[in-house]
Amino acid sequence: NAGVTQTPKFQVLKTGQSMTLQCAQDMNHNSMYWYRQDPGMGLRLIYYSASEGTTDKGEVPNGYNVSRLNKREFSLRLESAAPSQTSVYFCASSDIRDRRYSNQPQHFGDGTRLSIL
Amino acid sequence: DQQVKQNSPSLSVQEGRISILNCDYTNSMFDYFLWYKKYPAEGPTFLISISSIKDKNEDGRFTVFLNKSAKHLSLHIVPSQPGDSAVYFCAAFTSGTYKYIFGTGTRLKVLA
Repeated sequence: NAGVTQTPKFQVLKTGQSMTLQCAQDMNHNSMYWYRQDPGMGLRLIYYSASEGTTDKGEVPNGYNVSRLNKREFSLRLESAAPSQTSVYFCASSDIRDRRYSNQPQHFGDGTRLSIL
Repeated sequence: DQQVKQNSPSLSVQEGRISILNCDYTNSMFDYFLWYKKYPAEGPTFLISISSIKDKNEDGRFTVFLNKSAKHLSLHIVPSQPGDSAVYFCAAFTSGTYKYIFGTGTRLKVLA
């Protein structure tokens, strides 16, 4: 009964280092998302993947890249980490099969806490 | 431009009383609204949703009210319990997109 699994749970990086955050879901959902949560800012969408093979920018995509490896997995990469990217990162998935109708809620992982020094 | 706003960062309520969490939005194209609850060190979990064609949806102790003319929705929790203490996020969704827009959250503390 895993749902959405994120790895790692915690990470400390130095400025300029690169890192990939991993996300996998076992609910056969079509859509996957990456958010960051910062104090007073709520959840801001970084990138999303409506379905396998597609990715699109969200609200705050600069400094990030994503890969939808297959239907289950959606990774987020920081190529050159900056202190401004210190945040809690959440991956989510949802089962939006028909974009005309769905109000399917998202299922979230427990987050990756990333600190960049 | 914050399309979904939760103007109260925090709220304290006595156990057994009603908790009312508010959310305002600016985009009239939103056609679904959702509430999520988040405990520390966990991801948000879905609580309740409402379609824009309705004005009320109820699920146990949780009721969401939607006032489209005012672009306002609220979540009522009755009676409030200490286990309800969490951060509550309001989110909005437009059919035809895949994006959920979140508010900044309201931290609810239910006092025993």
